[in-house]
Amino acid sequence: GAGVSQSPSNKVTEKGKDVELRCDPISGHTALYWYRQSLGQGLEFLIYFQGNSAPDKSGLPSDRFSAERTGGSVSTLTIQRTQQEDSAVYLCASSLRGANYGYTFGSGTRLTVV
Amino acid sequence: DQQVKQNSPSLSVQEGRISILNCDYTNSMFDYFLWYKKYPAEGPTFLISISSIKDKNEDGRFTVFLNKSAKHLSLHIVPSQPGDSAVYFCAALPGGTSYGKLTFGQGTILTVHP
Repeated sequence: GAGVSQSPSNKVTEKGKDVELRCDPISGHTALYWYRQSLGQGLEFLIYFQGNSAPDKSGLPSDRFSAERTGGSVSTLTIQRTQQEDSAVYLCASSLRGANYGYTFGSGTRLTVV
Repeated sequence: DQQVKQNSPSLSVQEGRISILNCDYTNSMFDYFLWYKKYPAEGPTFLISISSIKDKNEDGRFTVFLNKSAKHLSLHIVPSQPGDSAVYFCAALPGGTSYGKLTFGQGTILTVHP
């Protein structure tokens, strides 16, 4: 596609449920990043993929968070047993390898845990 | 530990005047700095950047200044236009990295009044 696509755009879930957030990067972009923005905070790095590998997952807040990428394309961020503090906008970005800052961000998924 | 700080949550400016957005950082390993602009319900978009070997970079109405000794950067928008109303994030990248793990500030909401 022309841009980075994220789905769903909004998700309301009950505390304790699992959620999956999807990211479709720009075709040909080998680097993929997940960030999240909590209320009143800046964007917080979660994980970096190069191809299907995740050489840096240092930003994942707990073992309830996991992510995978398949076919060097689509990525899924999974949050298990959601908590209220997981409420945030989750943003995905992709770039060509080596373009350290030339990312294109998606519009994000707004997750609300009630 | 907030390594990149934008201490002004909001800024209001009259159309045609200058907007100055400020950003401070604490990590001396940062050597590349970026500004992103974000409209509601959209992902951030890259605006302008500066390397630590420079103290100024200009692109049309946008100029970024870097004061390494003070660990401070600023974004100047001249003249400001109503369409510039958005959230502005500064971000920093450490030297020697092969991928774009950015550290973001909290953002400043800019409102430009007609």
